[in-house]
Amino acid sequence: NAGVTQTPKFQVLKTGQSMTLQCAQDMNHNSMYWYRQDPGMGLRLIYYSASEGTTDKGEVPNGYNVSRLNKREFSLRLESAAPSQTSVYFCASYSSGEQYFGPGTRLTVT
Amino acid sequence: ELKVEQNPLFLSMQEGKNYTIYCNYSTTSDRLYWYRQDPGKSLESLFVLLSNGAVKQEGRLMASLDTKARLSTLHITAAVHDLSATYFCAVRLSSNSGYALNFGKGTSLLVTP
Repeated sequence: NAGVTQTPKFQVLKTGQSMTLQCAQDMNHNSMYWYRQDPGMGLRLIYYSASEGTTDKGEVPNGYNVSRLNKREFSLRLESAAPSQTSVYFCASYSSGEQYFGPGTRLTVT
Repeated sequence: ELKVEQNPLFLSMQEGKNYTIYCNYSTTSDRLYWYRQDPGKSLESLFVLLSNGAVKQEGRLMASLDTKARLSTLHITAAVHDLSATYFCAVRLSSNSGYALNFGKGTSLLVTP
């Protein structure tokens, strides 16, 4: 099992560009999440998907959209990137009381 | 709104010393987590604490939970350099929030010779 995988690992965008961060899990988990991590801020929830076909906003959803493509995949889209979205993004899935984190995507917006 | 506060945020300690990291949270939750993060890496699960009075130990780390005080502690015994990392506590939100986690800001631990 690969667990939770994320692509890309690193990305540099210019202000106003768009991109999609990909996340997949092979553990057949229903719930998936996107968090962002900024220095000194811990991890903050952007969006989550409690099951296939559902998505909900978290603490910091502005500027992002998500798609739960199927049970395995949960993508995060930045339509018009801003420097404030420079961060490390973690995807996670959940089962039996435990969250499983992906390796992260380090995004820089210039 | 559930708030999670950790202290201290930065900790420099000598090898061989003991210290405790504190995690306070503002509303009731049924599950508290401790994670370790090394620079540039993802989060590694250390402990999951479920009930009042729960205590778990792994090597030089021991975590405890007091749900009445809404307080968890992570105690480090006889620190070694390999424990240098950032430690996060996190509290599980309800099913209404998809069991997402609410994190503290983290404690950056540096163990020096």
